[in-house]
Amino acid sequence: QSVLTQPPSVSAAPGQRVTISCSGSTSNIGQNFVSWYHHLPGTAPKLLIYDNNRRPSGIPDRFSGSKSGTSATLGITGLQTGDEADYYCATWDESLSAHVFGSGTKVTVL
Amino acid sequence: QLQLQESGSGLVKPSETLSLTCSVSGDSITSGAPSWSWIRQPPGKDLEWIGYIFYSGNTHYNPSLRSRVTISVDRSKNQVSLEMISVTAADTAVYYCARVHSGSLGEHFDYWGQGTLVTVAS
Repeated sequence: QSVLTQPPSVSAAPGQRVTISCSGSTSNIGQNFVSWYHHLPGTAPKLLIYDNNRRPSGIPDRFSGSKSGTSATLGITGLQTGDEADYYCATWDESLSAHVFGSGTKVTVL
Repeated sequence: QLQLQESGSGLVKPSETLSLTCSVSGDSITSGAPSWSWIRQPPGKDLEWIGYIFYSGNTHYNPSLRSRVTISVDRSKNQVSLEMISVTAADTAVYYCARVHSGSLGEHFDYWGQGTLVTVAS
């Protein structure tokens, strides 16, 4: 059972928008900042969003992040075939005294 | 561009010690006084944070693994290492090293290696 819960998969047609939710608790998302990662198996995971809604240099503004209470959301607009990957949220958990990751969401472009 | 590359024993026998190295290129391992982390993903399971080593040399480990892991840095070689003792099949996973960025707000992992598979089997 993951500490941070994400939907197993989301899908949409090219050009459309998808959102990925990350549900946690007061001991993790409720108190700390969230980051999001893009991962293709066999490759290095890539940072997409940090501090809830900030994008590193080089990440297009099609990717956005938000947080409310004990949940966070990653949004991807203008979906492209190259966006097909697994996406993970992460944050610090005060109770566990550890970084924790979401269960991961597979994005499929129809 | 910073690059991280994991290497080490791909097959480890149960009860033995897992040893991995993360070689950092493109910048000094001390540039910006970062922390370094190890993270793993067992087949079909979630990512699990193992721990990190701060620039000061202090460490903080996941309490679930603390008794078995050691993370260290060799600044002369620009490498970060992981040792895990008394491994079992449950330690079979892809192991990643990552740089930790600690900002004024939160921490995140801004650079990752591509990972290395470690299988624990006799």
